[in-house]
Amino acid sequence: KQEVTQIPAALSVPEGENLVLNCSFTDSAIYNLQWFRQDPGKGLTSLLLIQSSQREQTSGRLNASLDKSSGRSTLYIAASQPGDSATYLCAVHAGNNRKLIWGLGTSLAVNP
Amino acid sequence: EAQVTQNPRYLITVTGKKLTVTCSQNMNHEYMSWYRQDPGLGLRQIYYSMNVEVTDKGDVPEGYKVSRKEKRNFPLILESPSPNQTSLYFCASRLDGTPGYEQYFGPGTRLTVT
Repeated sequence: KQEVTQIPAALSVPEGENLVLNCSFTDSAIYNLQWFRQDPGKGLTSLLLIQSSQREQTSGRLNASLDKSSGRSTLYIAASQPGDSATYLCAVHAGNNRKLIWGLGTSLAVNP
Repeated sequence: EAQVTQNPRYLITVTGKKLTVTCSQNMNHEYMSWYRQDPGLGLRQIYYSMNVEVTDKGDVPEGYKVSRKEKRNFPLILESPSPNQTSLYFCASRLDGTPGYEQYFGPGTRLTVT
């Protein structure tokens, strides 16, 4: 059974730091992995989608990597800003499931 | 603007009073789904729909109903809400049922059942 874990559960950093959020999954047979951002009281915004054949995706200050063999993905945020404060969730599509398997998220606070 | 909309955004109701949460998408997506999000449990899928008139149970379907009469709409129905259905609900859509596509989410509906 596929399980997705995100560590740490919470992270607080000063503005300007580069930081890495981690996501691990137990079954390497995935179709893709998606990173989302969730702001309090708001919905989920898709940040990056990495297909199983890809190693990384980049969007602006965000870079997501995927290592299927080790069951890991990282989300790298460069030069963090207070506006990056949110909960970051990762989710995988595994096997023939048409649903996403979710981690519990990392709550990020970037302090001015 | 491509989006998934949900209504209402906030709802407080009493046990047993039937309610419907609407969901609509304007991207002509075939696949739609409903999730609930609870602290410590994360997001769990309630129901999903591969296309019009095709729906199936997710992980936590008990106490919920759905219908898909039109491609754009996927309402979530609670026939007799109970306090354990107090949660944050999200509707989502993607192009079709194959896993390769990005998933889009609505803004969420905060439901409280007293």
